[in-house]
Amino acid sequence: SAVISQKPSRDICQRGTSLTIQCQVDSQVTMMFWYRQQPGQSLTLIATANQGSEATYESGFVIDKFPISRPNLTFSTLTVSNMSPEDSSIYLCSVQRGVNEQFFGPGTRLTVL
Amino acid sequence: KQEVTQIPAALSVPEGENLVLNCSFTDSAIYNLQWFRQDPGKGLTSLLLIQSSQREQTSGRLNASLDKSSGRSTLYIAASQPGDSATYLCAVRPRSGNTPLVFGKGTRLSVIA
Repeated sequence: SAVISQKPSRDICQRGTSLTIQCQVDSQVTMMFWYRQQPGQSLTLIATANQGSEATYESGFVIDKFPISRPNLTFSTLTVSNMSPEDSSIYLCSVQRGVNEQFFGPGTRLTVL
Repeated sequence: KQEVTQIPAALSVPEGENLVLNCSFTDSAIYNLQWFRQDPGKGLTSLLLIQSSQREQTSGRLNASLDKSSGRSTLYIAASQPGDSATYLCAVRPRSGNTPLVFGKGTRLSVIA
């Protein structure tokens, strides 16, 4: 398994501000993923965070809105920029281990007023 | 494009009942399938991982089956308990490597004492 921690666990932010979410894994992993879960919905992949190169974004997500850093093999950050109420979601960090088994962090619950 | 459907969307059962949650996927060419549990406002906990070559996996009171040819998986929960109340998510990995999981919308389970 994998032990994944996220900070903050929750936050309430004002429209137009930015929030950076941190993800820490207990050991080195090649791929880290960022997902969004909007209220009442399932998970949507935002991007794959690659160490040493730019993140790979899914359709509908752009770097200007969701900049990602991956400075080493155990840590990544996701920034939600220029927030609006539509960005209110749970943001989840995830890693892949073993035979393509995937594990998730506890999530960051974001509310934008 | 792979799509994952989970039926029912919500289920309420009395404590002690055995129950089955269903997951179907449109493209049978999957690498593996994973079942997760999500408690309200929390991250995901991996329950069972079934490789495409496997037919089922068991963990305690949980049993997951996979019929790749028909595009179906079931999660069987024996002797349900109030602590089993959560949302159960099914996700498929379309192929090996770093391809992202495709999630269903989940089944919200309530076990009534």
